[in-house]
Amino acid sequence: DVKVTQSSRYLVKRTGEKVFLECVQDMDHENMFWYRQDPGLGLRLIYFSYDVKMKEKGDIPEGYSVSREKKERFSLILESASTNQTSMYLCASRAGGPLSGANVLTFGAGSRLTVL
Amino acid sequence: AQKITQTQPGMFVQEKEAVTLDCTYDTSDPSYGLFWYKQPSSGEMIFLIYQGSYDQQNATEGRYSLNFQKARKSANLVISASQLGDSAMYFCAMREGDGGYQKVTFGTGTKLQVIP
Repeated sequence: DVKVTQSSRYLVKRTGEKVFLECVQDMDHENMFWYRQDPGLGLRLIYFSYDVKMKEKGDIPEGYSVSREKKERFSLILESASTNQTSMYLCASRAGGPLSGANVLTFGAGSRLTVL
Repeated sequence: AQKITQTQPGMFVQEKEAVTLDCTYDTSDPSYGLFWYKQPSSGEMIFLIYQGSYDQQNATEGRYSLNFQKARKSANLVISASQLGDSAMYFCAMREGDGGYQKVTFGTGTKLQVIP
């Protein structure tokens, strides 16, 4: 019973291409997150969203944008892919609202993007 | 500035021994929480334990305990009686904010290897 689904497990794109990474959750969670994971750097927060159409920059938003038109879907967009965006991208969701401090993140399986 | 610091890139522990993984954090938010996640070689992210900033007692979950020292801003994970299956990457994460707006950031991780 997969709860956070990332549309592509592996992608190979060329420099300059526009790339869409899709994430869908079926748990009615308010919060959704996009991270990239690189060896030695851990998970770095790109963008997060706490409600439909709401988005906040994380620690490394440059070169990325996001879209959240529906509660269950959070898309990460690379407007013009570059080789330094080659990475593993992890989507996560989490129930929010009052008294939600202890709620854990549920992660997708990840999308490994290679930009040539 | 790094909000979550994990100073041990890699650690070894003998099977059946206890091990402590270090995590320090930096926040001015009075309401925050600390999480620990495990990432085995399969890549999935597994939640281990949570500690809220207002929790009086240190969190425990089976063989995992969190040594929370608020004044020192540290939240170390203690794994007792290590098992071979504990070999994995371990990430410390911090939730800041309350209510709707909640941000979760991660550290760089510690790779733990359990030796038979």
